[in-house]
Amino acid sequence: GAVVSQHPSRVICKSGTSVKIECRSLDFQATTMFWYRQFPKQSLMLMATSNEGSKATYEQGVEKDKFLINHASLTLSTLTVTSAHPEDSSFYICSAKPLAGSYNEQFFGPGTRLTVL
Amino acid sequence: GQQLNQSPQSMFIQEGEDVSMNCTSSSIFNTWLWYKQDPGEGPVLLIALYKAGELTSNGRLTAQFGITRKDSFLNISASIPSDVGIYFCAGQLGGGSNYKLTFGKGTLLTVNP
Repeated sequence: GAVVSQHPSRVICKSGTSVKIECRSLDFQATTMFWYRQFPKQSLMLMATSNEGSKATYEQGVEKDKFLINHASLTLSTLTVTSAHPEDSSFYICSAKPLAGSYNEQFFGPGTRLTVL
Repeated sequence: GQQLNQSPQSMFIQEGEDVSMNCTSSSIFNTWLWYKQDPGEGPVLLIALYKAGELTSNGRLTAQFGITRKDSFLNISASIPSDVGIYFCAGQLGGGSNYKLTFGKGTLLTVNP
């Protein structure tokens, strides 16, 4: 149980294009999903918190117009990197917090490697 | 954003040895989580701790929630080659809508067979 998937696993795009990354909780409903960014040999940095049916909450320094988040259902959140540039190249990881139960664990997806040329 | 102080940054050990790593914070957390990340993959939850002083085991892994709520450690006993990876601690305040995780910088573990 508690499986989170991401699609695509890796994407290469040209500078100026937009890229959409999907995060799905496969066997549970998630009240909240989180989007992280990880640079090589570094830790995970939270970008935004996404709640179903409401606007995402972005961390300080994260451009909300650049990283569009939509949380359409209790099992799906999407991150769109708009007008991507080479500096947006990174490993993007989502996590989901289960709706059921009283525990606070977050379960992570396998990540999406974005390379912007 | 805020990060936890995790140490050591890296460890090189022989198969069979025990390993210990820890995290400290200047602020209190109500939940401590330990994750392992393999290259190119997302973190996998190893152990979750919810009470100060709590000691929890998961196979060869043992973790403790510090009594001050500002620290936690993870021990791995009798290490094996598949223990190789990056281990992250994460703290969470919890309650209400505050489920954000604050991550340590990670401990890179290398196990020599």
